Amino acid sequence: DGGITQSPKYLFRKEGQNVTLSCEQNLNHDAMYWYRQDPGQGLRLIYYSQIVNDFQKGDIAEGYSVSREKKESFPLTVTSAQKNPTAFYLCASSDTEYGYTFGSGTRLTVV
Amino acid sequence: EDQVTQSPEALRLQEGESSSLNCSYTVSGLRGLFWYRQDPGKGPEFLFTLYSAGEEKEKERLKATLTKKESFLHITAPKPEDSATYLCAVQGVRTALIFGKGTTLSVSS
Repeated sequence: DGGITQSPKYLFRKEGQNVTLSCEQNLNHDAMYWYRQDPGQGLRLIYYSQIVNDFQKGDIAEGYSVSREKKESFPLTVTSAQKNPTAFYLCASSDTEYGYTFGSGTRLTVV
Repeated sequence: EDQVTQSPEALRLQEGESSSLNCSYTVSGLRGLFWYRQDPGKGPEFLFTLYSAGEEKEKERLKATLTKKESFLHITAPKPEDSATYLCAVQGVRTALIFGKGTTLSVSS
């Protein structure tokens, strides 16, 4: 079945540590996105990529980095510069006509 | 600036009690308005896309409508399994969707 796979489902980060969240899709979609969701805040855009080897900052990109070396993969790195990383992270892809398909999310907690 | 406001933040209904959720939006060059359902701890699930004012779409007990300034998600005779957070999003000139904060619906039997 086609879809988006996010891993891990739960992730714990120590202070000052970089962590990478995985996002893989087999939908053959060109565009991919990362959103952050906090309680009562809705989804906020971190980064997005419309094509391989190209990506743009979203509204809250500070403290995050991404790469898009393959069409299927769009990993997100949460760096030590992100001071409040505890949140639910959602990856999505789209074919521009039918909205987004979302993954099941990664819950990141700072310990 | 593109913006989406959803109301109410939370809605409690009795089973069978119909109601509507509101999504007001401001966007440059609306290319589409989207409704999603999200269950706790899961990713949003696509429900509808609306492209132009006057358009309506239905799926089971849900019906989405669109005007030039807002969209409504009507829920007819809801059941407990309709309990979830409903998210509204718009796509304007920028490719990425802009989301509202959602309405959390609770339906009790």
